[in-house]
Amino acid sequence: GDSVTQMEGPVTLSEEAFLTINCTYTATGYPSLFWYVQYPGEGLQLLLKATKADDKGSNKGFEATYRKETTSFHLEKGSVQVSDSAVYFCALSDGSSGYSTLTFGKGTMLLVSP
Amino acid sequence: DVKVTQSSRYLVKRTGEKVFLECVQDMDHENMFWYRQDPGLGLRLIYFSYDVKMKEKGDIPEGYSVSREKKERFSLILESASTNQTSMYLCASSTTGGSNTGELFFGEGSRLTVL
Repeated sequence: GDSVTQMEGPVTLSEEAFLTINCTYTATGYPSLFWYVQYPGEGLQLLLKATKADDKGSNKGFEATYRKETTSFHLEKGSVQVSDSAVYFCALSDGSSGYSTLTFGKGTMLLVSP
Repeated sequence: DVKVTQSSRYLVKRTGEKVFLECVQDMDHENMFWYRQDPGLGLRLIYFSYDVKMKEKGDIPEGYSVSREKKERFSLILESASTNQTSMYLCASSTTGGSNTGELFFGEGSRLTVL
């Protein structure tokens, strides 16, 4: 079945450092790919998405490019802030049905210090 | 603001009790989902529904049931709560088709502790 593997955390960075969180996937067909973020005490919210190969999703300074050849969707940000401290989830949607269930990775906690 | 609202943020129940977790969405979405979130395991799908009175098992349906009598409301039921059901439960909804296909909108979660 479909699966998502993302790097284990926590990832600890100083403010203004460069961030990469790796995500690779296994899926049949042509999934859509997502990054969700969960701030402390809150539910998940969509950060960015890409629906086909070579698409780049971007939002709030975060970017990720859908790489079909390496089955990857790594999350990057050039300069992190303390307010980016959260848990980040990579996910895929198989898109084979109208209701599109998502398969999530286990999440990566990011801690940014001043 | 579009919203998914879960009725209880925190619950404490005893082993063997029947537990209801309620979720309401105001976006007229066709699809609704229940996930549980556990440290080190991420999110796992319990049940989902793509229409009123319809339900489908997810990856870990054992020990749970669901009810969807109205489009906006999706309930998760623990018939006889057990300690291994202590977890964070997340409700989500999505629409079918259009530019948002695949995107889930989540509630804030219900943290259940079973003693």
